[in-house]
Amino acid sequence: SQTIHQWPATLVQPVGSPLSLECTVEGTSNPNLYWYRQAAGRGLQLLFYSVGIGQISSEVPQNLSASRPQDRQFILSSKKLLLSDSGFYLCAWSSLGVSTEAFFGQGTRLTVV
Amino acid sequence: GQNIDQPTEMTATEGAIVQINCTYQTSGFNGLFWYQQHAGEAPTFLSYNVLDGLEEKGRFSSFLSRSKGYSYLLLKELQMKDSASYLCAVFNDYKLSFGAGTTVTVRA
Repeated sequence: SQTIHQWPATLVQPVGSPLSLECTVEGTSNPNLYWYRQAAGRGLQLLFYSVGIGQISSEVPQNLSASRPQDRQFILSSKKLLLSDSGFYLCAWSSLGVSTEAFFGQGTRLTVV
Repeated sequence: GQNIDQPTEMTATEGAIVQINCTYQTSGFNGLFWYQQHAGEAPTFLSYNVLDGLEEKGRFSSFLSRSKGYSYLLLKELQMKDSASYLCAVFNDYKLSFGAGTTVTVRA
């Protein structure tokens, strides 16, 4: 069966510090991978998605970047965090080319102070 | 671009039925999803529609009309644990885009 791991679950970082959130998927090959951010009481904003290794599509210009160094690994990064980067970050995967459900990781609650 | 609209809040009584509407205008369409999200948790899958019509899963049903860009999620026999946010999401061109979510509050 497929599982998705996302860590850490919570993170408190100072303004200007770097960020690295990691997401890995098990039990499937060549998944579509996604990073979302959810501000308090708001919907999910799609940040990045990837359909293959090294292929990253950015949905909104911002202070963040994403990378996919391996088929089932998706990393969200920032060189210098801003206060506005605080939020609930969710990684998800779905089957490539097939409309199936998207499975979500447990999420990372990031607070920039 | 993507435009996915759903009501912000709804309140209903335990045991009742609630219908959450979702309208969408997207550049493509490969399916529509409904997710449930409890506060502080990740969304969990409820239903998926790609063809017009009604899909039923226990107390939850979802309807889709592609020509109208419209879907609804029907929750029957409401329970207190159904109090949550319900997210409508459209899948197209490998992207899964979400509406802002509808917060449903179930009262005793």
